[in-house]
Amino acid sequence: RKEVEQDPGPFNVPEGATVAFNCTYSNSASQSFFWYRQDCRKEPKLLMSVYSSGNEDGRFTAQLNRASQYISLLIRDSKLSDSATYLCVVTLGGSYIPTFGRGTSLIVHP
Amino acid sequence: DAGVTQSPTHLIKTRGQQVTLRCSPKSGHDTVSWYQQALGQGPQFIFQYYEEEERQRGNFPDRFSGHQFPNYSSELNVNALLLGDSALYLCASSSSGSTDTQYFGPGTRLTVL
Repeated sequence: RKEVEQDPGPFNVPEGATVAFNCTYSNSASQSFFWYRQDCRKEPKLLMSVYSSGNEDGRFTAQLNRASQYISLLIRDSKLSDSATYLCVVTLGGSYIPTFGRGTSLIVHP
Repeated sequence: DAGVTQSPTHLIKTRGQQVTLRCSPKSGHDTVSWYQQALGQGPQFIFQYYEEEERQRGNFPDRFSGHQFPNYSSELNVNALLLGDSALYLCASSSSGSTDTQYFGPGTRLTVL
């Protein structure tokens, strides 16, 4: 089983739709969680950190479920500009080695 | 405020050659991490440099080596290139020896023929 798994997609949704991605991780000692966004042929950019209590930033909501070992990203009112690959990142406690998932591709169409 | 910069942007090498990639961290950052991203995959951690020393290393062979300079810039060296080394090499900087809140550079696209 891979350390961090994501459905590669693509998720094809119309503008205005709500879409959610999950990311599962295998190591229960994982402590830090992040979502990054990567546009085609560009570098990853931090979208948001994921806290135990969940967090929201505008149309984006991230949640952590430690019992089931997954994190989620919810995007409301999708925009064309949200089209990108969304990477989840997990870091073990006390480690500086982040593990990236392979990413989930989102395509928002008119 | 300059972000993370990398050079060169593209590079073509042949099998067996050696390559050096360069990275300058974002202003105020002292930690540099290197990643390899193959097509369709997420970035894989190669190693991290902090205070001019390799702090952590991912699952990469010794052909991959690096260096950090007193000004916090860093180099990634790859010897005896293989076809499978073709990838996007990303540098990320952060502060205080942490990999939280990393800022990535635009990457160097390496093609090995």
